[in-house]
Amino acid sequence: GAVVSQHPSRVICKSGTSVKIECRSLDFQATTMFWYRQFPKQSLMLMATSNEGSKATYEQGVEKDKFLINHASLTLSTLTVTSAHPEDSSFYICSALWASYGYTFGSGTRLTVV
Amino acid sequence: KQEVTQIPAALSVPEGENLVLNCSFTDSAIYNLQWFRQDPGKGLTSLLLIQSSQREQTSGRLNASLDKSSGRSTLYIAASQPGDSATYLCAVSPYNTDKLIFGTGTRLQVFP
Repeated sequence: GAVVSQHPSRVICKSGTSVKIECRSLDFQATTMFWYRQFPKQSLMLMATSNEGSKATYEQGVEKDKFLINHASLTLSTLTVTSAHPEDSSFYICSALWASYGYTFGSGTRLTVV
Repeated sequence: KQEVTQIPAALSVPEGENLVLNCSFTDSAIYNLQWFRQDPGKGLTSLLLIQSSQREQTSGRLNASLDKSSGRSTLYIAASQPGDSATYLCAVSPYNTDKLIFGTGTRLQVFP
């Protein structure tokens, strides 16, 4: 089946630094990937949709300069949280869409900004 | 704007009970509806996918139904087990988009 690998699973960073999260589709090519944010005991909130080779489409209220998304190849999308602050601490999950298989989710990244 | 709501928000039951989780959505213009399971601190595992033309899907002890016209779906879990403890999320895929809109989730705990 389709597998999406997300790294790192946990990261702690200092306030003001940037953090990059990677999402890779291991055995299929994903033309579209999605990035979600999840607060404790809450549902997933879609942040942006990324298509290979084009700019990401951000949801209303999501700062594109804060959350930089790059989808440079059909198997890799990255989310960079720039100048992180404690309020950016959250659980981030990526998802890849493959026409034959539907949606596959990464295992998530727990970001803690101190 | 599509909104997806799940009831109850939390549920705690003894092992062996049959359960019904509810999902409602405000806009019936959807391609499909999916149910997912999420274990604490983990990603999502797809349980069942119901196309808009379908009424229900079954997988083992799980049965999901869809009434698109009324904007409702239910997930039925038969003979619940402690291993079923997790958060269950429903999500709809609106027309003309690849997005998934997630519900608010139901946190299930099944105790021995």
